[in-house]
Amino acid sequence: AQSVSQHNHHVILSEAASLELGCNYSYGGTVNLFWYVQYPGQHLQLLLKYFSGDPLVKGIKGFEAEFIKSKFSFNLRKPSVQWSDTAEYFCAVNAWNNNDMRFGAGTRLTVKP
Amino acid sequence: DAGITQSPRHKVTETGTPVTLRCHQTENHRYMYWYRQDPGHGLRLIHYSYGVKDTDKGEVSDGYSVSRSKTEDFLLTLESATSSQTSVYFCAIKPGQGDTEAFFGQGTRLTVV
Repeated sequence: AQSVSQHNHHVILSEAASLELGCNYSYGGTVNLFWYVQYPGQHLQLLLKYFSGDPLVKGIKGFEAEFIKSKFSFNLRKPSVQWSDTAEYFCAVNAWNNNDMRFGAGTRLTVKP
Repeated sequence: DAGITQSPRHKVTETGTPVTLRCHQTENHRYMYWYRQDPGHGLRLIHYSYGVKDTDKGEVSDGYSVSRSKTEDFLLTLESATSSQTSVYFCAIKPGQGDTEAFFGQGTRLTVV
């Protein structure tokens, strides 16, 4: 089965700093990739997704992610974070032909005002 | 928000007792999932369903069973609850296989004492 690893457990940034969160997956075939966000006390919400086509995908709230197939990576980026981006971020992978969706351990982002 | 209702939202139970958590959807989606969320582990897949009476195990299925007798309901049962099953449980639904996003419920916080 596929698996996902997120390198950063807790990231602390000041407002306006740039953000990059790492995500690597292990699966040899075609995959669909997702980033979800969980604000404190809430359920997970989709931030962005990659299915095919342009490897640079844009999501909500100014987030983007780049799929690099050769590196099995799908890193999340934002040029300038805001205090309201404080949340936990999860990378997820789903092989294109199965039902099993796996998540990484998550990265907690704290943005200081 | 997607029509997903988890019940109960909070439960405290004693070690050794059976517990059933319910996930109800109004979206008529084929795929349903149960995850548990624990600090440092992110979301881990317990079981999932790809249709009525069709279920499969995830990565942490020991001690859990599931049933899906109707499209809209997916039940997770802890046959004999243990303290290690104290966690937040999330239900998710998907309309199709890999290239569709998942929608999450609000979560159930279960404490086993």
